[in-house]
Amino acid sequence: QLQLQESGSGLVTPSQTLSLTCAVSGGSISSGGYSWSWIRQPPGKGLEWIGYIYHIGSTYYNPSLKGRVTISVDRSKNQFSLKMSSVTAADTALYYCARSYGSGSNYYFDYWGQGTLVTVSS
Amino acid sequence: QSVLTQPPSASGTPGQRVTISCSGTSSNIGSNYVSWYQQLPGTAPKLLIYSNNQRPSGVPDRFSGSKSGTSASLAISGLRSEDEADYYCAAWDDSLSGFYVFGTGTKVTVL
Repeated sequence: QLQLQESGSGLVTPSQTLSLTCAVSGGSISSGGYSWSWIRQPPGKGLEWIGYIYHIGSTYYNPSLKGRVTISVDRSKNQFSLKMSSVTAADTALYYCARSYGSGSNYYFDYWGQGTLVTVSS
Repeated sequence: QSVLTQPPSASGTPGQRVTISCSGTSSNIGSNYVSWYQQLPGTAPKLLIYSNNQRPSGVPDRFSGSKSGTSASLAISGLRSEDEADYYCAAWDDSLSGFYVFGTGTKVTVL
């Protein structure tokens, strides 16, 4: 059974960079046909897709995040990471990693991590 | 950034059928497949429906999805207390340079 586990900084100072890692177990991050995503959920609010990466390293980001996001993959450790720069209080959220399946017009998330809370505060 | 609109709440008594709507546009639901996610209190979302109307293994057939034009629906038949959760629709949106978008979410309450 595939499992994903987020880890990283739980408290980030405004204007600094948020860093999170998602460790994948029970399957290989290099499996074809899948991409690996980050999704966030502000407290009491809905879900927002941040972006994804394929195991070969190609990435795609939500345009609304205006170039603040970088997603990378470490195939040797079977994990992928998120960096978000210039954070503000609006970036406070529960951050989920997920496996994404599909391409083009048909895309969905079939496995999710449990989520990790990131608070942006001085 | 949500461009998929859902009713904020829906409710029913045990055994009833509840339907949740998801309204989009030609750039998302109108041209791409819809998926649905269930988020139980304090837990991560779970894939409920993909490709408009397909259920992953293990999802009860009480849950069904449909799509017509720029709208989609999730139906829960034989409502049970454990169905009390938040439900989100989602689809790829082809506008701008393309992005994945979730619905505003619907809280289902079992009375």
